Amino acid sequence: DAGITQSPRYKITETGRQVTLMCHQTWSHSYMFWYRQDLGHGLRLIYYSAAADITDKGEVPDGYVVSRSKTENFPLTLESATRSQTSVYFCASSETRPSSALGNTIYFGEGSWLTVV
Amino acid sequence: GQQLNQSPQSMFIQEGEDVSMNCTSSSIFNTWLWYKQDPGEGPVLLIALYKAGELTSNGRLTAQFGITRKDSFLNISASIPSDVGIYFCAGQLGAGKSTFGDGTTLTVKP
Repeated sequence: DAGITQSPRYKITETGRQVTLMCHQTWSHSYMFWYRQDLGHGLRLIYYSAAADITDKGEVPDGYVVSRSKTENFPLTLESATRSQTSVYFCASSETRPSSALGNTIYFGEGSWLTVV
Repeated sequence: GQQLNQSPQSMFIQEGEDVSMNCTSSSIFNTWLWYKQDPGEGPVLLIALYKAGELTSNGRLTAQFGITRKDSFLNISASIPSDVGIYFCAGQLGAGKSTFGDGTTLTVKP
């Protein structure tokens, strides 16, 4: 019963380096999301995907790239990491079926703690 | 974009007391979700609300979807130490994207 898993859980990287955070879900959910959570803030949406090969920007997309070649994977890449991208990153997924009582529920991974030095 | 105001920002209560927190928005939502986040973990869904006026319970937790569709509240009765954590509300208008409040940090003193 894997659900949604993220890797790595913890990462320290240097400014300017490229970093990729992986997200994998076993439910075949259509929607997947990447959020960042900073101290004093709630969850802010970076990018989301409605289906394979369909992605869209969220609230704070600058400096990030995503792809969704397969339904179950949704990697997030920081092309050139900056200190302001030090944060906790959460991947999430949901299956949107309007007729279902649980159709819009979002399920979160355990988070990836990223420090950029 | 849509903004959610969640209050209070933090609460310090005695074990056994009841807790109430709420979220308000200037725009309507079709779904309200309440999550709890423990330290070092991802948010976990507590209650989902799908209809205006809906009142739903999950154990000691009760949440309501405001009749105007612009607000929701969460109550916790008879708090216990394991209720400690950060509680988030989230509103959804359509499929997919949710808007999250900034969270209510709950501390329960034994």
